[in-house]
Amino acid sequence: AQSVTQLDSHVSVSEGTPVLLRCNYSSSYSPSLFWYVQHPNKGLQLLLKYTSAATLVKGINGFEAEFKKSETSFHLTKPSAHMSDAAEYFCVVSPWGQGGKLIFGQGTELSVKP
Amino acid sequence: EAQVTQNPRYLITVTGKKLTVTCSQNMNHEYMSWYRQDPGLGLRQIYYSMNVEVTDKGDVPEGYKVSRKEKRNFPLILESPSPNQTSLYFCASSAPYNEQFFGPGTRLTVL
Repeated sequence: AQSVTQLDSHVSVSEGTPVLLRCNYSSSYSPSLFWYVQHPNKGLQLLLKYTSAATLVKGINGFEAEFKKSETSFHLTKPSAHMSDAAEYFCVVSPWGQGGKLIFGQGTELSVKP
Repeated sequence: EAQVTQNPRYLITVTGKKLTVTCSQNMNHEYMSWYRQDPGLGLRQIYYSMNVEVTDKGDVPEGYKVSRKEKRNFPLILESPSPNQTSLYFCASSAPYNEQFFGPGTRLTVL
């Protein structure tokens, strides 16, 4: 069965320091992988997506993620956190051959301290 | 403007009173989905539809119904709501295997 595990429920960083949000997935075949962000009382916005092209994916607002098949990981990084990055982040997998189905991780809440 | 709309945005109701949450998209997307979001559980897919008259169960379909009679609309029906269906609900649409566009959410409280 496909699943997504976000390894940290909460991450706190200082402004200007790097961000790392960890995600591991389980999928029988090559899935599509996404990171979404949800700011407080807002809907979800796509940060970036991996669909079997380049393994290093660049997204909006300086975020990027690297697909590592051997480690079944898709960690999200940003070199320098900004106060506006404080939000909840979701790692999402769309299993191969099931384009309408999305499986969400439990979410990681990112706090950014001044 | 490309968007997914949901109505109502907020709803308080009582156990057993049938309700419908509407969802509409203007992007001509084939795929549409409904999710519920609960603290600590992320978003869980309730139902999804890959085209008109084609729907399938997600991970938590019990207590919900959907229909897809038109491409742009995908209403969520709770025939007999119960308190455990109190949640934040999101509708989403996408082209096949592409990013999903989410609506603004519907906060439902069942007393």
